[in-house]
Amino acid sequence: GQSLEQPSEVTAVEGAIVQINCTYQTSGFYGLSWYQQHDGGAPTFLSYNALDGLEETGRFSSFLSRSDSYGYLLLQELQMKDSASYFCAVRDLGDSNYQLIWGAGTKLIIKP
Amino acid sequence: SQTIHQWPATLVQPVGSPLSLECTVEGTSNPNLYWYRQAAGRGLQLLFYSVGIGQISSEVPQNLSASRPQDRQFILSSKKLLLSDSGFYLCAWNGQGTGLYEQYFGPGTRLTVT
Repeated sequence: GQSLEQPSEVTAVEGAIVQINCTYQTSGFYGLSWYQQHDGGAPTFLSYNALDGLEETGRFSSFLSRSDSYGYLLLQELQMKDSASYFCAVRDLGDSNYQLIWGAGTKLIIKP
Repeated sequence: SQTIHQWPATLVQPVGSPLSLECTVEGTSNPNLYWYRQAAGRGLQLLFYSVGIGQISSEVPQNLSASRPQDRQFILSSKKLLLSDSGFYLCAWNGQGTGLYEQYFGPGTRLTVT
């Protein structure tokens, strides 16, 4: 079957660094995406990794290791506004060319 | 720039009543369109996607249906709602040639079936 696993909740302190992990098991793999969703809001796209390595976008970075079926989202200099749920999603060219397989999300709690 | 609209924002409906949620996209043509449902504290479940007018693919068997009567309009319907249909419904789009990994979401409709 196809599945993505990520921790349900992570707690960190304002100004610190936090890493949210995602492991996946899919029949095909064409890239790992990360989305942010604030309570009551819609998901917004953060980053995408198709190849191994680290992609940096401001305070956020995303890493992928295809051999380990593993990726992570790294958030630096945490701010209270980063409190949200973070979802990893895999583009899987399985039965459907258009589907993203989603993880259940990680709730990031930031303490002052 | 592109914009995606969804309405209504919130909806409370009795069991057995019909449902119609509408989503429209502006500023792009021939988008891929998606309907997702999200239960409280959970991830996103893909319900339907469409790659063109009249082309609908269903991912999950249920009492819901979708239609795409126009290029940038996507409608989610039900003839008789169940309690289990409660949730946060999200419409999303991406462009045909944008790698399919980046989806843009509407503001969502929070549906409560009583």
